[in-house]
Amino acid sequence: GAVVSQHPSWVICKSGTSVKIECRSLDFQATTMFWYRQFPKQSLMLMATSNEGSKATYEQGVEKDKFLINHASLTLSTLTVTSAHPEDSSFYICGIHEASYEQYFGPGTRLTVT
Amino acid sequence: QKEVEQNSGPLSVPEGAIASLNCTYSDRGSQSFFWYRQYSGKSPELIMSIYSNGDKEDGRFTAQLNKASQYVSLLIRDSQPSDSATYLCAVRRASKIIFGSGTRLSIRP
Repeated sequence: GAVVSQHPSWVICKSGTSVKIECRSLDFQATTMFWYRQFPKQSLMLMATSNEGSKATYEQGVEKDKFLINHASLTLSTLTVTSAHPEDSSFYICGIHEASYEQYFGPGTRLTVT
Repeated sequence: QKEVEQNSGPLSVPEGAIASLNCTYSDRGSQSFFWYRQYSGKSPELIMSIYSNGDKEDGRFTAQLNKASQYVSLLIRDSQPSDSATYLCAVRRASKIIFGSGTRLSIRP
């Protein structure tokens, strides 16, 4: 399946600062990438769908001004958490799916906001 | 009602036995079904996908789909300690993948 990388794998930031997470598709040209968030002992919740060259589609309840998504190329999507607060601390995972809709995930980014 | 439901577990199975994991989904229009394994602190990895009614086998894993009952299951034969993880059932609805909350499986020696 597709190989996906994320950077950084973990980050600690202070409340009020912004953090950028990169997601790269290493062997597949992805017109669409997906951003998920996972809180401890909970399942993956889709935050937004990132579309190459156009605006992202956000799920209900996800603040688009807080979670900025840019999908500038077929291999790179970025998620910026702006003005982070402790409640944004979570495990952020990006994924892409092939034509079969089998979804493959990056290794995830653990964000801790202090 | 959650769109994808799983028993949270933990499910404890002796080493070498068969582990049976179950999942139900609410949307009859769901088209594709997936099982993922997630180790603690890691992202999910795809184990199997199944698209039509019946069984699909891959090594020690067998996925079963019954669309009439809106039911998907995963059987793990000859369970190994390395199978201890959380198993996520996922369903495709249009272009989105919806995940269940997962079942924690523990293989005891």
